Amino acid sequence: DGGITQSPKYLFRKEGQNVTLSCEQNLNHDAMYWYRQDPGQGLRLIYYSQIVNDFQKGDIAEGYSVSREKKESFPLTVTSAQKNPTAFYLCASSDRAGSDTQYFGPGTRLTVL
Amino acid sequence: GENVEQHPSTLSVQEGDSAVIKCTYSDSASNYFPWYKQELGKGPQLIIDIRSNVGEKKDQRIAVTLNKTAKHFSLHITETQPEDSAVYFCAASIRGGSQGNLIFGKGTKLSVKP
Repeated sequence: DGGITQSPKYLFRKEGQNVTLSCEQNLNHDAMYWYRQDPGQGLRLIYYSQIVNDFQKGDIAEGYSVSREKKESFPLTVTSAQKNPTAFYLCASSDRAGSDTQYFGPGTRLTVL
Repeated sequence: GENVEQHPSTLSVQEGDSAVIKCTYSDSASNYFPWYKQELGKGPQLIIDIRSNVGEKKDQRIAVTLNKTAKHFSLHITETQPEDSAVYFCAASIRGGSQGNLIFGKGTKLSVKP
């Protein structure tokens, strides 16, 4: 069964804690992306990676960090420096950078208590 | 950079009627325009897309039109059904661009009343 998986589906965090969101794909896609979605808003790009061991900041990277050690995995860490982390986080992938069609995972809802 | 405006923000139609959602973009270099459907608590699903060398594309009850001169594109859903109720997002990108990321509109919440 091919696709993109994200875990956990729901995540609760206390203020001041770092938390890592998982994103895995078995589509053999080169490029992966992290978006943040807030109520009534479109999706905003946090980070993207075109290839293993390389990633770039998106529009709202402050307070977030990523790694891309394996082609199929692109975890996102929400650090304590992110002032308003409560949101719905979506991971996506595309065949290659510059290949426009992106496919999304089911999302992780992060709530800061 | 690219900016995408989407209207309306909410749309309510009777089952069987048509629904139209419109988007405008700012960067004339944009050449790829996908539409996503997002159901509550789920990730967006690609439903149709169009490239700048095509003016219209249809897939059963869904169609997308593109006007490059005016820099706007629209989603048309005919014979709407209750299961069409969802939030729809348009997006634009420059195919082959260095980032390959999509710029999204803010979404349209479509409600189809039985």
